[in-house]
Amino acid sequence: AQRVTQPEKLLSVFKGAPVELKCNYSYSGSPELFWYVQYSRQRLQLLLRHISRESIKGFTADLNKGETSFHLKKPFAQEEDSAMYYCALSATNTGNQFYFGTGTSLTVIP
Amino acid sequence: GAGVSQSPSNKVTEKGKDVELRCDPISGHTALYWYRQSLGQGLEFLIYFQGNSAPDKSGLPSDRFSAERTGGSVSTLTIQRTQQEDSAVYLCASRPRTGGNSPLHFGNGTRLTVT
Repeated sequence: AQRVTQPEKLLSVFKGAPVELKCNYSYSGSPELFWYVQYSRQRLQLLLRHISRESIKGFTADLNKGETSFHLKKPFAQEEDSAMYYCALSATNTGNQFYFGTGTSLTVIP
Repeated sequence: GAGVSQSPSNKVTEKGKDVELRCDPISGHTALYWYRQSLGQGLEFLIYFQGNSAPDKSGLPSDRFSAERTGGSVSTLTIQRTQQEDSAVYLCASRPRTGGNSPLHFGNGTRLTVT
């Protein structure tokens, strides 16, 4: 089975503090992993994908196949980072299904 | 178009009525997905279309739910005999091709309220 787990529904950090949103996956093939973000009253949008190995808005995520994790990190949280974050997995070996975690609501406290 | 377009943006209906939700994907995108977003439930997969292949309907919660995609473009999600538990935001997404690293592009969603 393909599963994406985000253990934290809610996460609060102070402005300037480091933030880590956890994501673990279960997948029998080679995973394609993504982080999506939804700001208040906006559509769900792509934040970053593991294949690009890029930093977007100061966020990075490293795929750890040994731990089957794809945690999202930012060294210094900003108030504008407050949003809902979803981890997602593209299942390329079983019908191209796109699985999402249940999401983590991040609040950055000023 | 510039992005995935969904209509209506809001729909209020009485329990027992049928509703139709429309999705217009990005031009040229071959894959189209429907999800349901409820508070505390994350994104629940409903159905997926890829080109002319048979759709993956494995996520539809009951036979009251159905979807079509005409001409490989516009899709309509139909909910018959709506129930209060159908209240949610229904999201449509498309991607240029399946497999690999192509991400989903989402619409703004349709907020359905069943009274």
